[in-house]
Amino acid sequence: EVQLVESGGGLVQPGGSLRLSCAASGFTFSSYEMNWVRQAPGKGLEWVSYISSSGSTIYYADSVKGRFTISRDNAKNSLYLQMNSLRAEDTAVYYCARISKKYYYYYMDVWGKGTTVTVSS
Amino acid sequence: QSVLTQPPSVSGAPGQRVTISCTGSSSNIGAGYDVHWYQQLPGTAPKLLIYGNSNRPSGVPDRFSGSKSGTSASLAITGLQAEDEADYYCQSYDSSLDYVFGTGTKVTVL
Repeated sequence: EVQLVESGGGLVQPGGSLRLSCAASGFTFSSYEMNWVRQAPGKGLEWVSYISSSGSTIYYADSVKGRFTISRDNAKNSLYLQMNSLRAEDTAVYYCARISKKYYYYYMDVWGKGTTVTVSS
Repeated sequence: QSVLTQPPSVSGAPGQRVTISCTGSSSNIGAGYDVHWYQQLPGTAPKLLIYGNSNRPSGVPDRFSGSKSGTSASLAITGLQAEDEADYYCQSYDSSLDYVFGTGTKVTVL
């Protein structure tokens, strides 16, 4: 079964750090580009970061640039999000999502269940 | 900040047809980038519903259809069912902001 499982969320004080993980199974992880997407309580979806299949190309949303770092370990079938200098507005459920390609369409076809990050004193 | 605008809510009786609009601009949908749609049932992760403007992944009922024209896209649900009650999001790509999502639409089945 194709699956993504996030972990690492929790309660952290403003200015603190957390490292999220996303474990992939049921597919060849090293062949797929990946995204992190978050959803603040009661709000819509917000793209956070992208990483290519090899890890050589990375993009960030302006809201997290300079504070978050995306990475992957293809040998461990794992995706990571290092979050530093956390702010209250980073409070959200964080999802990892697989990017699939068909013809020339790129879309997120597999999503994890999410991990909750709460930034509060 | 969402750059794709959707109506906050739409509703319909069982069996009816509802449509959800997704309005962008010349830097995203109007630039030719494709639109994808996701369904988020209460308390769950988003699920891919439509990819590449109008294509349904395997397992998605043909009651769901998508289209795109100019700087906008639409999702239609025909034969509305109680299980369709969920939040729906469009998603595209913006030349300056990378991946962008719509503001989201809550579908209520009356």
